Amino acid sequence: DGGITQSPKYLFRKEGQNVTLSCEQNLNHDAMYWYRQDPGQGLRLIYYSQIVNDFQKGDIAEGYSVSREKKESFPLTVTSAQKNPTAFYLCASSMGRQGDGYTFGSGTRLTVV
Amino acid sequence: AQSVTQLGSHVSVSEGALVLLRCNYSSSVPPYLFWYVQYPNQGLQLLLKYTSAATLVKGINGFEAEFKKSETSFHLTKPSAHMSDAAEYFCAVSDGDSNYQLIWGAGTKLIIKP
Repeated sequence: DGGITQSPKYLFRKEGQNVTLSCEQNLNHDAMYWYRQDPGQGLRLIYYSQIVNDFQKGDIAEGYSVSREKKESFPLTVTSAQKNPTAFYLCASSMGRQGDGYTFGSGTRLTVV
Repeated sequence: AQSVTQLGSHVSVSEGALVLLRCNYSSSVPPYLFWYVQYPNQGLQLLLKYTSAATLVKGINGFEAEFKKSETSFHLTKPSAHMSDAAEYFCAVSDGDSNYQLIWGAGTKLIIKP
């Protein structure tokens, strides 16, 4: 079955560390997205990529970085510059055409310890 | 710019009662509209979508939504709430102006009272 896989499900980070969240899809989707979710704040877009080797900043890109070297993969690095990284992170993908919805992964919960 | 407004961050209904979750959108061109559901600590799952084929759209789990252009609304309904419907629901819009990216509402948490 095709789908989108995020790993790990839970991640703990010490102050000052960089951590990388994995997102892999086998849906042959062109577009991929990273969202951050905090209680009561809905979905906030961090980065998105519409094609391999290209990506754009979303609304809250500061303190995050991404790469898109393969169509299937869109990893997100939470850097030490992100001062409040504790949140639930969601990855999504789509064909990027009109009328297409997004397919979401099951999320990664990141906690700073 | 497109926007989506979901009225009520929390909606509480009794089991067996009608569920009505409100969504209003702004769009300068014909939109595509979506409802997603999120259970605790999970990703979002597509409930239904409107793509101009029919104004009344039926989705999974007994939910449906009606597109009303004159009211710029796409409210989600279910005739009889079940305990398993307790979740957060998100409305989203996309159109050519957003390059078909989804613009999200803030979400409505549905609480089911026994």
